[in-house]
Formats: sequence, structure tokens, C-alpha cells
Amino acid sequence: GAVVSQHPSRVICKSGTSVKIECRSLDFQATTMFWYRQFPKQSLMLMATSNEGSKATYEQGVEKDKFLINHASLTLSTLTVTSAHPEDSSFYICSARGRRASQETQYFGPGTRLLVL
Amino acid sequence: AQTVTQSQPEMSVQEAETVTLSCTYDTSESDYYLFWYKQPPSRQMILVIRQEAYKQQNATENRFSVNFQKAAKSFSLKISDSQLGDAAMYFCAYRSAPPGYALNFGKGTSLLVTP
Repeated sequence: GAVVSQHPSRVICKSGTSVKIECRSLDFQATTMFWYRQFPKQSLMLMATSNEGSKATYEQGVEKDKFLINHASLTLSTLTVTSAHPEDSSFYICSARGRRASQETQYFGPGTRLLVL
Repeated sequence: AQTVTQSQPEMSVQEAETVTLSCTYDTSESDYYLFWYKQPPSRQMILVIRQEAYKQQNATENRFSVNFQKAAKSFSLKISDSQLGDAAMYFCAYRSAPPGYALNFGKGTSLLVTP
């Protein structure tokens, strides 16, 4: 089956630093990748949609200068949390749009737990 | 915007029994997709089952089946012969038909499976 990886799986950083999270589709080309954020015991909230070679589309309320998304290739998208603060601590999940058995579906990465001190 | 409602924050079922998780949604679209995802403690999202709105037949995947009522905008998940490994958060999700759209998730239902 399709595999999506995320790196790092968890990161702890100091307030004010920037953190980059990578999302890779390992065995398929992902024309679209999605970034979600999940707070404890809550649902996934879409942050942005990223299409290869173009600017990401951010959801209302998500600061694009705060959460920089780059989708430079068909297998890699990155999310950079700039000048991170404690309120940015969360679980970040990416998903990639791919095809399996002629059905389009989304494959999720294992997530990245970010803790900002 | 489409909204997905899961009215059961928590459910409990005994091993080997059957449980049904409810989901309703609101949309003005006629063509769309519905999904149930499972999120175990590892937090990896796992696709359980999907349903295309244009298909009248309810989707089934082994012990998992759905009751899709398009007119009522209802999409419930039935888990038969529940197993301890079924314990997880279950999210119902909606996706518009055109490719490239993101999933819109409900708030989730926490399923506890007791021996």
C-alpha cells in the first residue's frame, strides 16, 4: 500500500526558534498534500492544501507567514513553523493524495508531535 | 461549507458484540465521498471504509459496514464481532467529489472495547 512518512516524529524546541517538518510520499507521486493540526482529544483541522509547484492554499485563520509550506516536488512537502511559541505545540499530520486500485484516496503520515518550551 | 457531526463522544462495546457509530453531515452537493477513519493510540490515521455518494449499495470491509442514507444525510459505521484492537478514536469524514479536495472531519467518537 501507499506509504507517507513524516520527519521528525517528535520535536522539542525553544520558543522563538523555527521548526521544519517533512512529509514524503514514498511509493507514489503526490500532486496534492494536506497539512492538518490536531489538539489533544480533538479532531483534525485542515491548515493548508499544497499543490506541487504552486503556492499553498491556507484555511481561514491560519497564518501563512507563521506556517510556511513548500511543495517542491511530487514526493515532498515541508511545513515550517516560524518563531514557534508554546501555543504552536500540537500534533501535525500530513496526508498525500494518491491513487490505489483506481480510487483516489488520501494517505496519512504518522504525524509529528511538536512541543515548544 | 460542509459540516460533519458525530453525536457520540464515547461508546463502549463488549468484545464479540456489535456497535454502531453515528455520523450525519450537511451538504448541498450531490456527488461526494464519505469515509470512516480509525486513529489508535499511535495516532496513525487508518482508513476503515469509504462510500461514494452515487452508489446506493452500502460499503462493507470485513467486519465493518456502513448504513448510508443519502436523503437523511446519515452515514453510520457498524463494527461486528468487536475486537480489543478496534479500540480507537473513529472519525467520520466528508470529501467533495472533485479531486484534490481535503477531508472535512467530525469531532470523533472514542470507542472502548471491554473484554
